[in-house]
Amino acid sequence: NAGVTQTPKFQVLKTGQSMTLQCAQDMNHEYMSWYRQDPGMGLRLIHYSVGAGITDQGEVPNGYNVSRSTTEDFPLRLLSAAPSQTSVYFCASSNRASVTGELFFGEGSRLTVL
Amino acid sequence: KNQVEQSPQSLIILEGKNCTLQCNYTVSPFSNLRWYKQDTGRGPVSLTIMTFSENTKSNGRYTATLDADTKQSSLHITASQLSDSASYICVVSSLPGGSYIPTFGRGTSLIVHP
Repeated sequence: NAGVTQTPKFQVLKTGQSMTLQCAQDMNHEYMSWYRQDPGMGLRLIHYSVGAGITDQGEVPNGYNVSRSTTEDFPLRLLSAAPSQTSVYFCASSNRASVTGELFFGEGSRLTVL
Repeated sequence: KNQVEQSPQSLIILEGKNCTLQCNYTVSPFSNLRWYKQDTGRGPVSLTIMTFSENTKSNGRYTATLDADTKQSSLHITASQLSDSASYICVVSSLPGGSYIPTFGRGTSLIVHP
């Protein structure tokens, strides 16, 4: 049981380049989300999805796009990378039917934008 | 606005000593409070969950308390070990089943020295 898998683990981009961070989960969770973690800022929600075909914005959505075509996958796209997007990105999933709402996190993707 | 404040921001203790981390929240309506442990370079992992009716819950050497009246929680670590060195994040959910947008604290960074 792999849980939540993120790829790549590390990426370096130049300003203006685009890329996609991949996230896949094998727990059949309806809820999936993307966070960024910056020093001293804690985890901040970028986008989330409560099921296939449904996405919504979180606290810091600008510069990022998401889609949810399947229950398992929730990719995060950076359309034109900026140095301010240098961060560690975490994908998390949750069982929507659970009364406890535990989030299961991936191992993170460290992105550097030069 | 829902907020979660954690203190101290960082803490250094000697191996074998006890310590207590604090979490104050202004999240309403309250559903549950979770403590997550995040090892360096890894994703957060849930340690314990507290619901409104619970005052104390233990998970090995970790004991969480909740005072719903004062909206405060604490995480007590007994007989600390080097492996306890990590960031501890308090997360409060405001809907049954867990909010789709949980509120995160910024974490307490704990370093345990031999």
